[in-house]
Amino acid sequence: AQSVTQLGSHVSVSEGALVLLRCNYSSSVPPYLFWYVQYPNQGLQLLLKYTSAATLVKGINGFEAEFKKSETSFHLTKPSAHMSDAAEYFCAVSDNSGNTPLVFGKGTRLSVIA
Amino acid sequence: KAGVTQTPRYLIKTRGQQVTLSCSPISGHRSVSWYQQTPGQGLQFLFEYFSETQRNKGNFPGRFSGRQFSNSRSEMNVSTLELGDSALYLCASSPAEYGVYGYTFGSGTRLTVV
Repeated sequence: AQSVTQLGSHVSVSEGALVLLRCNYSSSVPPYLFWYVQYPNQGLQLLLKYTSAATLVKGINGFEAEFKKSETSFHLTKPSAHMSDAAEYFCAVSDNSGNTPLVFGKGTRLSVIA
Repeated sequence: KAGVTQTPRYLIKTRGQQVTLSCSPISGHRSVSWYQQTPGQGLQFLFEYFSETQRNKGNFPGRFSGRQFSNSRSEMNVSTLELGDSALYLCASSPAEYGVYGYTFGSGTRLTVV
């Protein structure tokens, strides 16, 4: 069974500072990994995905994530936080066989302080 | 290109009633998945449909059911509503099974059971 653990339910950064949101996965088969963002009263928007190509994945809005198999991690980063980045971020995992649905982490709420 | 459309956006029901939620996927998307989002449990998988066939079902009681029509539109039904069914119900569509290329989510239906 697959699972993801997001370390820190709430992260607070200053505007312009580095954003680092942590995600560790557990999977018995090569995983596909995703980061989604959710703004208040909205659905989830796909930020980026890892599907066994390049280990450094670039997404929208300046975010990127690196797949590290040895650490079973897929942390999300952004060099400089903007106020508009304040939202809830979810890491998700599926296997690459097409036989399992996405399993989401509990989410990390990002606050950006002016 | 129109996104995933969920109707209604908000719904208030009384315990014991039943409710039907609707989801229209992006044109050409044949996979539709449903998730329940609550503050306590996070995002939990309900079921996934691909080409009118239920591919998988999450760990929810039989009161939760769904279906997909030939035009890929999907409905989910909850019978005998309980207070604990209050949640944001999210629908997501993908061109492939289980969204290995990433799901596109709708804005959700906020169900309140009183």
